[in-house]
Amino acid sequence: KNQVEQSPQSLIILEGKNCTLQCNYTVSPFSNLRWYKQDTGRGPVSLTIMTFSENTKSNGRYTATLDADTKQSSLHITASQLSDSASYICVVSARTSGTYKYIFGTGTRLKVLA
Amino acid sequence: EAEVAQSPRYKITEKSQAVAFWCDPISGHATLYWYRQILGQGPELLVQFQDESVVDDSQLPKDRFSAERLKGVDSTLKIQPAELGDSAMYLCASSPRGWGETGANVLTFGAGSRLTVL
Repeated sequence: KNQVEQSPQSLIILEGKNCTLQCNYTVSPFSNLRWYKQDTGRGPVSLTIMTFSENTKSNGRYTATLDADTKQSSLHITASQLSDSASYICVVSARTSGTYKYIFGTGTRLKVLA
Repeated sequence: EAEVAQSPRYKITEKSQAVAFWCDPISGHATLYWYRQILGQGPELLVQFQDESVVDDSQLPKDRFSAERLKGVDSTLKIQPAELGDSAMYLCASSPRGWGETGANVLTFGAGSRLTVL
């Protein structure tokens, strides 16, 4: 069964600190993995998209890693800001029969405190 | 930057009433998705369109939910009658045809429609 699991479920950190969010998946056939940021009451916004051959990708203070062998990904946030408070959702894409299936994790809720 | 448009942003209704949500995907995007997201959970696919055709509606509660994309552009999701358990965020997303240069197609979400059923 295709699954995406994220940890921790929630996280509280102080402004300026770093943090790392984890994503483990069992999705086949794997196509790509993406991280989304979802502010409360809003739709998810893409942070990074990583294909099978990519190990690391950065977007400002966000750095995503992918280990396709262990089927793990992480999202590292550097020098956190209050505006980083949101849910972070890991989404793994599988391409089957010419269409794309997206398997969503339940997200990690991050709270950054001043 | 192109956006996926959704309306209404918020809808409060009483149970047994009919509700409709509208989505206008990014111009040229062939694939359109409707997701339901319950608070604290990840989005759950309700229906996926490729142009005007449904390619996956296996999780759509067809006794009360219906979706259409008549001209392969904008789409409507309807609930009739609404039940208390339908309270959720309804997200529309779209992606272009094909796989893209990097091997990963773009999936863009709208801001969502928040439904509260009383």
